[in-house]
Amino acid sequence: EVQLLQSGAEVKKPGATVKLSCRVSGYIFTDHYLHWVRQAPEKGPEWLGLVDPEEGATIYSEKFQARLTITADTSTDTAYMDLSSLTSEDTAIYFCATGGTPGDGFNAFGPWGQGTPVMVSS
Amino acid sequence: DIVMTQSPDSLAVSLGERATINCKSSQSVLYNSNNKNYLGWYQQKPGQPPKLLIYWASTRESGVPDRFSGSGSGTDFTLTISSLQAEDVAVYYCQQYYNPPFTFGGGTNVEIK
Repeated sequence: EVQLLQSGAEVKKPGATVKLSCRVSGYIFTDHYLHWVRQAPEKGPEWLGLVDPEEGATIYSEKFQARLTITADTSTDTAYMDLSSLTSEDTAIYFCATGGTPGDGFNAFGPWGQGTPVMVSS
Repeated sequence: DIVMTQSPDSLAVSLGERATINCKSSQSVLYNSNNKNYLGWYQQKPGQPPKLLIYWASTRESGVPDRFSGSGSGTDFTLTISSLQAEDVAVYYCQQYYNPPFTFGGGTNVEIK
């Protein structure tokens, strides 16, 4: 069974950096892109970026390019997301999701991790 | 960026009746070289992550009941629930994965009338 297990809830002060993790199991980590998506309260999902775990190559949304870093550790089948210079607007649930392959291109997202709540508050 | 516009924002349907959700993209998500529409539909219930229902605009994900169907091509798409069940109460999102940033519609809240 494919599972994506995310790290626990975070509370951060404005200006800080949050680092989240997503450990996958049940499939070959390097075979599929790993995406990060967030969802602010009462809002729709918003895509942040992806990593190709085999090559380490990334694609970021231009909106987050300057303060987002996504990495993958193939020794532990874990992807990481760092988001810096946090503001209250970054308060959201952050999800990881698998979808698409470097060989076949982009695809829809599924399965998803359970989500990590991040609150940014002074 | 490709803008995804869903309608309606909310929908109340009687049990057993049909629910129809529309999604329009600001540019075509049909990739001519493989004739595939890079469009997915998701269902999200409170406290849960989105769940993939439909990909390539009309291909049902494994395990998804056949009362869910997707149609459309290019810029105009539809998700149909042929006979609404109580467990279908949720918010539904369309998403384009044609070009990053991969964008989602604003969501349609489906309730029981």
